[in-house]
Amino acid sequence: AQTVTQSQPEMSVQEAETVTLSCTYDTSENNYYLFWYKQPPSRQMILVIRQEAYKQQNATENRFSVNFQKAAKSFSLKISDSQLGDTAMYFCAFMKQGSGYSTLTFGKGTMLLVSP
Amino acid sequence: SAVISQKPSRDICQRGTSLTIQCQVDSQVTMMFWYRQQPGQSLTLIATANQGSEATYESGFVIDKFPISRPNLTFSTLTVSNMSPEDSSIYLCSVEETGAFRAFFGQGTRLTVV
Repeated sequence: AQTVTQSQPEMSVQEAETVTLSCTYDTSENNYYLFWYKQPPSRQMILVIRQEAYKQQNATENRFSVNFQKAAKSFSLKISDSQLGDTAMYFCAFMKQGSGYSTLTFGKGTMLLVSP
Repeated sequence: SAVISQKPSRDICQRGTSLTIQCQVDSQVTMMFWYRQQPGQSLTLIATANQGSEATYESGFVIDKFPISRPNLTFSTLTVSNMSPEDSSIYLCSVEETGAFRAFFGQGTRLTVV
C-alpha cells in the first residue's frame, strides 16, 4: 500500500513571494504518478501539476514547479510569485501506474494562506 | 480535460433519511470514483464505479450504506442511506481520463446531517 505524508499542516506566505510545500511518499512501485491538487474554499479539487515517475525532469506549470527526488521519495511544490488566489488547501497525491485504472492516495493536506 | 457536474452542491438533511448525489461527465469515461472528505480531513475513496457492473467498495464502506449506480458511461449516482451526523462530509465525484492517468473532480457536495 502507498502512503503520502504532508508534514506541514499550515503555511503562510506574502503576496509575490515564493513558498515550498513538502510531500513525501512511500511505495514499492517503480512506475507511478504524483500530483498536487488545490482545493480552495469553493471545494473544487483542481489539478495543479503532475509528475511521471519515469521522468527525471521536474514538471512545471507557469508559477508552479516541483522538485521530484525519486530516490528520496520526495515531491515538493514550489509556488513562485504567490497570489491571493493561491490561498487554498493543497493535497499531494499518488497514483500507481498499471493496466486499467488507478486510484489516488492523498496526503492530509497543507493549508496555504497568502496575505497581502 | 473532462467537465464534471455534480449536484446538489450542498444539502442539509434529517438523520435517518437518504440523499442521492448525481455526477454527470461531458465525455464517456470507463471509471468513475466517489470520495468522502470529512471535515478538516483528506479525501478517502469510497468506491469505484464501472459501467454495467457492481461498484467496488473500499474497506470500511458497504453497499447498503452507499449504494452506487452507473447506468451509462457519462453518469453515476451515490446514495448516502440512513444518514447520521457522522455522515456530514463533502462527497466528491472523480473521473480518470482513460489511459491518461490524470484525475478530475466535480465541485463536491457538502452534506450536513442534523
